[in-house]
Amino acid sequence: QVQLQQWGAGLLKPSETLSLTCAVYGGSFSGYYWSWIRQPPGKGLEWIGEINHSGSTNYNPSLKSRVTISVDTSKNQFSLKLSSVTAADTAVYYCNRMVRGVPAYYYMDVWGKGTTVTVSS
Amino acid sequence: IQLTQSPSSLSASVGDRVTITCRASQGISSYLAWYQQKPGKAPKLLIYAASTLQSGVPSRFSGSGSGTDFTLTISSLQPEDFATYYCQQLNSYPRTFGQGTKVEIK
Repeated sequence: QVQLQQWGAGLLKPSETLSLTCAVYGGSFSGYYWSWIRQPPGKGLEWIGEINHSGSTNYNPSLKSRVTISVDTSKNQFSLKLSSVTAADTAVYYCNRMVRGVPAYYYMDVWGKGTTVTVSS
Repeated sequence: IQLTQSPSSLSASVGDRVTITCRASQGISSYLAWYQQKPGKAPKLLIYAASTLQSGVPSRFSGSGSGTDFTLTISSLQPEDFATYYCQQLNSYPRTFGQGTKVEIK
C-alpha cells in the first residue's frame, strides 16, 4: 500500500523560501507523476505543479516564476520550493500521486496528510 | 479551463439523493475526477474518467458526463458523506479544480 509522508518548515517570514519534501513508501516511484496541491485557509484547491521520475515538470503559470519541483529517485522523494513567499502563500500543502492511464484515466489517488505553512512577519 | 460547480452548498437529509454539477469552460472529454474532502483531511478520490468508481468507494456514488457538463450523484446520502466535494479537470494544464460544494446536514 503506497503511502506519502511529507515534511517541511511550517512558519516562514515574507520573502523566504518554502521548502517541502514528500517521500513515497510501499510502491513504485517510476511510472507516475508526483504533484503538489495547496489549499489556503477556508478556500479551495490549487494545483502547483508536478514531476515524474525522469525529472520532467509542469507548473501552474500563476506560480511558475517562483516554483521549483525536483526529484531524488535514489530516495523515492520529491520536493517543492517556492521562493519569495508572502502571506498569500499561507496554506495547507499536499503532495500526491497522479496516475496517467488510458483512456482518460488520469487521477490523483494517493495523498499526503498535508503540511500547514504560515507566512507571517 | 475554469470549472464551475453548483450548488456551492446544499443541505440534505440522510437517505436523500444528492446531485452536484460541474461545468467546464471548454470541452475536456472525460478527463474529470471527483474528490471528497472532510475537515482537516486530504481529499479522497471518488470518481475518475468522469464515471469510473475508484476502488473501495461505495456504489452509492456515481459520476456521469463528458465534454463540458458533468454530474456527481450520491444515491442515498449517509452520515459519513457530509463533506465538501470538488471536481478536477485533467485534460490540460494547469490542472484546475471547481470551487467546491459543501454538503451539510439538514
